Amino acid sequence: DVKVTQSSRYLVKRTGEKVFLECVQDMDHENMFWYRQDPGLGLRLIYFSYDVKMKEKGDIPEGYSVSREKKERFSLILESASTNQTSMYLCASSLNNGGARGTQYFGPGTRLLVL
Amino acid sequence: GDSVTQMEGPVTLSEEAFLTINCTYTATGYPSLFWYVQYPGEGLQLLLKATKADDKGSNKGFEATYRKETTSFHLEKGSVQVSDSAVYFCALKGSSASKIIFGSGTRLSIRP
Repeated sequence: DVKVTQSSRYLVKRTGEKVFLECVQDMDHENMFWYRQDPGLGLRLIYFSYDVKMKEKGDIPEGYSVSREKKERFSLILESASTNQTSMYLCASSLNNGGARGTQYFGPGTRLLVL
Repeated sequence: GDSVTQMEGPVTLSEEAFLTINCTYTATGYPSLFWYVQYPGEGLQLLLKATKADDKGSNKGFEATYRKETTSFHLEKGSVQVSDSAVYFCALKGSSASKIIFGSGTRLSIRP
C-alpha cells in the first residue's frame, strides 16, 4: 500500500511566523502535490512537483513556497503566516503516468490554525 | 478547460436507502475518472476509478459507470450504512496530465 505521511495532524501558529509542513511518501512516486481544503471551496492546488528540485505553481500559489530536495519529501512553506491561511492542508503523490496509473494518494492532512 | 460538476450537498438518507450522487464532466480526449471519499478528520481515499468508456468501477458496495455519451460518472450504492457518512469527491485526470481536477465535494449523512 502507498503510504503518504504528513508531519503534523494539528498545528497552531502566530501571524508572521514561518511555517513548514512536511510530506513524505514511500512509493517512489515522481509527482507530489500540495492542496488546501476550505469549506465550500473544495480542494485547491497550491503547488506540485514532478521531479526532485522541480516545481510548478498550482491555482493558488501566493503566500506559499515549496521545496523538493529528495524524491520522497515535499515541503510546503508559509514564509509569513497569515490568518487567511488557516485551513486543512493535504499532500498527495502519484506516479508520472497518464490515465489512472497517475492516481493520487493522499496523506491524512494537517489542520493549521493561524492566530 | 477540464471541469467536474457534482451535486451539491448535504445529502441526508436513512440507513439502507439507495444512494446516487451525480457527477458530470467536461474534458477533451479520454480522461480517467475517480471517486474519492473523505471520512471526518481524515485525508482523501481513493474509492473507485474507471479509465475508459463503459468501464464500471466498484468498491465497498459503491459503483460508478463511465458514460461518455452523457459525460457522467454517477456514484451509486444500493443500501447505505451509517459508516458511509463522509464527503465524496468526483475527479478527472486527463490522459497526458499529472494534475487531477476535483469536484467541490458532496457531504453525505446517514441516519440510523
